[in-house]
Amino acid sequence: NAGVTQTPKFQVLKTGQSMTLQCAQDMNHEYMSWYRQDPGMGLRLIHYSVGAGITDQGEVPNGYNVSRSTTEDFPLRLLSAAPSQTSVYFCASSRTPGNSPLHFGNGTRLTVT
Amino acid sequence: AQTVTQSQPEMSVQEAETVTLSCTYDTSESDYYLFWYKQPPSRQMILVIRQEAYKQQNATENRFSVNFQKAAKSFSLKISDSQLGDAAMYFCAYRSAPDSNYQLIWGAGTKLIIKP
Repeated sequence: NAGVTQTPKFQVLKTGQSMTLQCAQDMNHEYMSWYRQDPGMGLRLIHYSVGAGITDQGEVPNGYNVSRSTTEDFPLRLLSAAPSQTSVYFCASSRTPGNSPLHFGNGTRLTVT
Repeated sequence: AQTVTQSQPEMSVQEAETVTLSCTYDTSESDYYLFWYKQPPSRQMILVIRQEAYKQQNATENRFSVNFQKAAKSFSLKISDSQLGDAAMYFCAYRSAPDSNYQLIWGAGTKLIIKP
C-alpha cells in the first residue's frame, strides 16, 4: 500500500521556468490537496479537490494551477517559477472532505534561483 | 479568521520523562476539529491524535494524550515515557467543521528534542 506518492523529492528551477509536481494516491480518496511549508510557519493550503473534475483555490493559489482528471492523480503546476515559491510542497488526501484524517506524501523541496 | 499559536519554538525532555506541548487557537465557531501532527526529519507529516470539539473527553493514543480546554481555546499535547523516536517537529492544526474548503490552519510548530 503506497499511500500518497509525490515526485520529485527535490527540484531546482530557474526563475521563469515551469514544472509539474506529481501526486498520486492509491486509497481511492475523494479529497486531495496541496500545501506549502515555509520556515517558521505552518502549512498553507494552495489548491484542493473534492473529486475528479472538481478543483478550487485555497489560501495561497497565485502562481499555481491544478487539475484532477482521475481520482488518483492531482498534479500541481508552477506556471512561471519565482524565488518566492521556494518551499517544501506537500500533497495530502483524505477519504472524505470532512473530518477524515489527512494522509501526506513525503514532500517536494523546491528551490527557485 | 481562525489562527493557531504554538508558543514554544523548541522543547527538550529527558528520555522516559513526560513533556507537554502547548497550542492555543482563536475561533468564533463551536464545531471544529483539532489535530496534532508529527514531522520527523524524514519530512513526512504523521497524524498523532485528533479531537472533535463537541467531545468533552480528551483523546488519547497510547503514550499521547491531549488536554482540551474548549472555553480557554487550548489544546496541549502530553507525551508520556518519551522515546528517542519522538524527536520531531510537532504541529497543532485546526479544521472548521462546516468549512467550505476543508482547510487545516496550522501553528508554526514546536521542535521536540529528546535527551538520552
